[in-house]
Amino acid sequence: ETGVTQTPRHLVMGMTNKKSLKCEQHLGHNAMYWYKQSAKKPLELMFVYSLEERVENNSVPSRFSPECPNSSHLFLHLHTLQPEDSALYLCASSQDGDINYGYTFGSGTRLTVV
Amino acid sequence: QKEVEQNSGPLSVPEGAIASLNCTYSDRVSQSFFWYRQYSGKSPELIMSIYSNGDKEDGRFTAQLNKASQYVSLLIRDSQPSDSATYLCAVRYAGGTSYGKLTFGQGTILTVHP
Repeated sequence: ETGVTQTPRHLVMGMTNKKSLKCEQHLGHNAMYWYKQSAKKPLELMFVYSLEERVENNSVPSRFSPECPNSSHLFLHLHTLQPEDSALYLCASSQDGDINYGYTFGSGTRLTVV
Repeated sequence: QKEVEQNSGPLSVPEGAIASLNCTYSDRVSQSFFWYRQYSGKSPELIMSIYSNGDKEDGRFTAQLNKASQYVSLLIRDSQPSDSATYLCAVRYAGGTSYGKLTFGQGTILTVHP
């Protein structure tokens, strides 16, 4: 595996379900990010982990709970979601300390809340 | 609030023409600038990065940066229908944090018609 891998690619869940999104990066990066992308809206930064420490949480509802057990893995735990949470959830990784570095994105998880 | 602004379009150009995509940003301590391409339903893909004033060319793509005017652009020469996508401008700011957070614009939809 190379790059940034996200699973599952598609997820349909009810509002009372609990599910988790998984992201794994194989690039040796030290920072990982969760973004939400809704239709016709810009990318919304949700969480930032740098060196496995959460360094940013952009007023995200508590029904979204991130976890970063090591520098290669990032999870987004979901519970009691709302229909408006349906979106494309993107994971990205980067190398902090190098200003010339952009992000490498995973393929995303298309989430539908019913 | 640091902002990155793009004209959402859609920008429509004929095949073979030059497509010009523009982006302005609000913070003068911006460090580096990135252009991503996002096909419908897919994740963003990094296509160009630029850090110094002037032009940077890569194949059919040219990125232009003018820090005094706080302006960055992407030119696509000999546009092809396969270039039809949303183009995202992203800016990495200096200072404040030790991690490399990017701020994204809302994206410009480009359509290249045969």
